[in-house]
Amino acid sequence: DVKVTQSSRYLVKRTGEKVFLECVQDMDHENMFWYRQDPGLGLRLIYFSYDVKMKEKGDIPEGYSVSREKKERFSLILESASTNQTSMYLCASSFPLLQGATNEKLFFGSGTQLSVL
Amino acid sequence: GENVEQHPSTLSVQEGDSAVIKCTYSDSASNYFPWYKQELGKRPQLIIDIRSNVGEKKDQRIAVTLNKTAKHFSLHITETQPEDSAVYFCAASRGSYIPTFGRGTSLIVHP
Repeated sequence: DVKVTQSSRYLVKRTGEKVFLECVQDMDHENMFWYRQDPGLGLRLIYFSYDVKMKEKGDIPEGYSVSREKKERFSLILESASTNQTSMYLCASSFPLLQGATNEKLFFGSGTQLSVL
Repeated sequence: GENVEQHPSTLSVQEGDSAVIKCTYSDSASNYFPWYKQELGKRPQLIIDIRSNVGEKKDQRIAVTLNKTAKHFSLHITETQPEDSAVYFCAASRGSYIPTFGRGTSLIVHP
């Protein structure tokens, strides 16, 4: 069974701190994603990556950056945390259709609830 | 880009009733429509999906229908049970691996 692991379930940081959210998947998936989940706003895509060292902006990239140095690991970085970045952050991964996947199913991590004070 | 609207935002039913959640999409080239279920405190998980070459798909008590002409698709849950209580997300994508999600529907099933 696919496992997507996020390093922290809960995180409390102060305004202005640099924050790292880590995500690791164990199924050799090419694609990895970072979403932000807020009540009433659904799942909004921050960044995604379809290969090592590759990254693409999603719908709300402002204030965030990402790093993918290894295939299994995708990190989300908040350069200078602000209170409006308090949210649930979900990592996901998937296997590209071109490599034989039968659908574009996303496998999600359990999420990191980040509070910025 | 794709825009997915999902209704209602909250749905409250009695156990045993049916529940229907509706989504519309804007990009006529979208061809893959998954539904994810997120129980309280847990990760979203795919429960059913449909492709544009199929009008309906069933899996036990859940079914999804697709109307390509009207650009809408729906999730139907029959004989609802308390364990169906969750947030449901619809999504649409056009063959790439980046779905656009609806805002979610909170389904509450009262015993």
